[in-house]
Amino acid sequence: NAGVTQTPKFRILKIGQSMTLQCTQDMNHNYMYWYRQDPGMGLKLIYYSVGAGITDKGEVPNGYNVSRSTTEDFPLRLELAAPSQTSVYFCASSPPPAIDSGANVLTFGAGSRLTVL
Amino acid sequence: GDSVTQMEGPVTLSEEAFLTINCTYTATGYPSLFWYVQYPGEGLQLLLKATKADDKGSNKGFEATYRKETTSFHLEKGSVQVSDSAVYFCALSGGSQGNLIFGKGTKLSVKP
Repeated sequence: NAGVTQTPKFRILKIGQSMTLQCTQDMNHNYMYWYRQDPGMGLKLIYYSVGAGITDKGEVPNGYNVSRSTTEDFPLRLELAAPSQTSVYFCASSPPPAIDSGANVLTFGAGSRLTVL
Repeated sequence: GDSVTQMEGPVTLSEEAFLTINCTYTATGYPSLFWYVQYPGEGLQLLLKATKADDKGSNKGFEATYRKETTSFHLEKGSVQVSDSAVYFCALSGGSQGNLIFGKGTKLSVKP
């Protein structure tokens, strides 16, 4: 049972380069998320998706794009890498929030550490 | 908007010491509350949760009680172990889109 798988684990980019962080989950979860984690700053939501074909912006979407063509995959695209995008990126997935409580347990991947020089 | 504030770290304790990590929140409505733990080099894992006022979440010796009157969800453990060394995040449910809003995290180091 793999859960949430992210690739690559590490990547160094030059300013202006583009790349895609891959995320796939095998739990048939409808909801998927991309967060970035900066030192001492907690996690900030970049984009999320509530199902295939549906995506929406989170708190810090600038400089990123996403797509959700299947339930399993939710890639994050950086078009023109900037030093401010140096961070650790986490993908997560979950079933829909509980109807009564709104509680939602997210399952996280192991993270992708990106450095932009 | 909704937010979570947790105590600044790092926190350094000796093995078998008592642990408290404070967490308070600001939210409209009645969110569910969570503690996640991140071990070195890994993603976040759910530690415990509480979905309504006065609920107590517990797991692996850790406990936290949802206090609506003080808008708090403090994490406690009676006797920490070296293996508890990690970063602990308090979080609340962010709405119908299902995302979580996280605090900044508290790094705990437990010395033998």
